[in-house]
Amino acid sequence: NAGVMQNPRHLVRRRGQEARLRCSPMKGHSHVYWYRQLPEEGLKFMVYLQKENIIDESGMPKERFSAEFPKEGPSILRIQQVVRGDSAAYFCASSPATSTDTQYFGPGTRLTVL
Amino acid sequence: DQQVKQNSPSLSVQEGRISILNCDYTNSMFDYFLWYKKYPAEGPTFLISISSIKDKNEDGRFTVFLNKSAKHLSLHIVPSQPGDSAVYFCAASAGSRLTFGEGTQLTVNP
Repeated sequence: NAGVMQNPRHLVRRRGQEARLRCSPMKGHSHVYWYRQLPEEGLKFMVYLQKENIIDESGMPKERFSAEFPKEGPSILRIQQVVRGDSAAYFCASSPATSTDTQYFGPGTRLTVL
Repeated sequence: DQQVKQNSPSLSVQEGRISILNCDYTNSMFDYFLWYKKYPAEGPTFLISISSIKDKNEDGRFTVFLNKSAKHLSLHIVPSQPGDSAVYFCAASAGSRLTFGEGTQLTVNP
């Protein structure tokens, strides 16, 4: 039984390019969360989604960042016109609808902006 | 405003002894607390959790204690093993989003 899957594991982009990070939740989980970990810091909440709905995006930067969780396929975190400060590890977590308290994390995508 | 704090960036213990990791929080709305373990280049792995209606939860070598009046929780690992060496994060929830501490690097020496 696969856990939370994220791809790519490593992503290198030049300033101004777009980054797309993908997350497939654990089987049976319908809730997806995105977190970002900057160097030497803890994880910071970005966004919480259910299928086709954004439930809480209070942690998302107001510009350049967007997230979706379509009816079919993985959740996507999209960063447009990346800047060096976007370099971080981005983690996706999922939980079942019956128990949103405990979240299970994927291996993360390490984004490096040159 | 750091609502969840782990004041010890690192902790070193001998194999077989007890490891105690501490965490303080400020938001009284938090009602669920979790501990995660993280190895380099991997995602956090869920270890153990506790609801605010309890003061202790035990799972094998791991026990979490919650002191609501002090807004403090701790994770006890006994006996500690070299494979426990990792960064440990505490997290708190008031709804669906988790708020994490900065982490404590635990090193268990053989």
